[in-house]
Amino acid sequence: SQQGEEDPQALSIQEGENATMNCSYKTSINNLQWYRQNSGRGLVHLILIRSNEREKHSGRLRVTLDTSKKSSSLLITASRAADTASYFCATGLLGGYQKVTFGTGTKLQVIP
Amino acid sequence: DTEVTQTPKHLVMGMTNKKSLKCEQHMGHRAMYWYKQKAKKPPELMFVYSYEKLSINESVPSRFSPECPNSSLLNLHLHALQPEDSALYLCASSQAGTSGSHTQYFGPGTRLTVL
Repeated sequence: SQQGEEDPQALSIQEGENATMNCSYKTSINNLQWYRQNSGRGLVHLILIRSNEREKHSGRLRVTLDTSKKSSSLLITASRAADTASYFCATGLLGGYQKVTFGTGTKLQVIP
Repeated sequence: DTEVTQTPKHLVMGMTNKKSLKCEQHMGHRAMYWYKQKAKKPPELMFVYSYEKLSINESVPSRFSPECPNSSLLNLHLHALQPEDSALYLCASSQAGTSGSHTQYFGPGTRLTVL
């Protein structure tokens, strides 16, 4: 299975602090995406990083990708209570872009 | 418009019922997906349609029957489900094609309970 594993499974921080989540995967990928899911609702796409990219920024989000270690990290800076959600990494297969496999997820709680 | 809509939001059905879940998008996407998500678990891919043709079936039991009547609509027909099929069913869409990396846009999901 190519399913990614995320670390930590749960994270609780104070508002204003930074949150870092890590994702490891097993096989070669075309891209890696991060999604956010508020409790029991649909997923929202946050950022996509291609396999030939090492780092990408979007607002308060910073994503890194290390294909040699088969790992990625998501950093949320200056967290807000509204960032409370589950975060999933999702890997797109090399040559199989339509099949995206989700990691186990990190549940983030930001305390006001 | 980057919205994917799903109906109904909630569905309760018995094991002998037949029901359908519906998904619609108007972004011009030609790839559409069904995922199943159990509580505290990641979404699991069930089906992928590309240009209205079924391209991926992740060994889903035949009691789940997908249908893509046109490029904007995706249905999931349910029949003789089991209580363990209770889950959040998510629809998504994306661009299709033979190259590139395509972001998937998700609907809010249908919360299904099988009694």
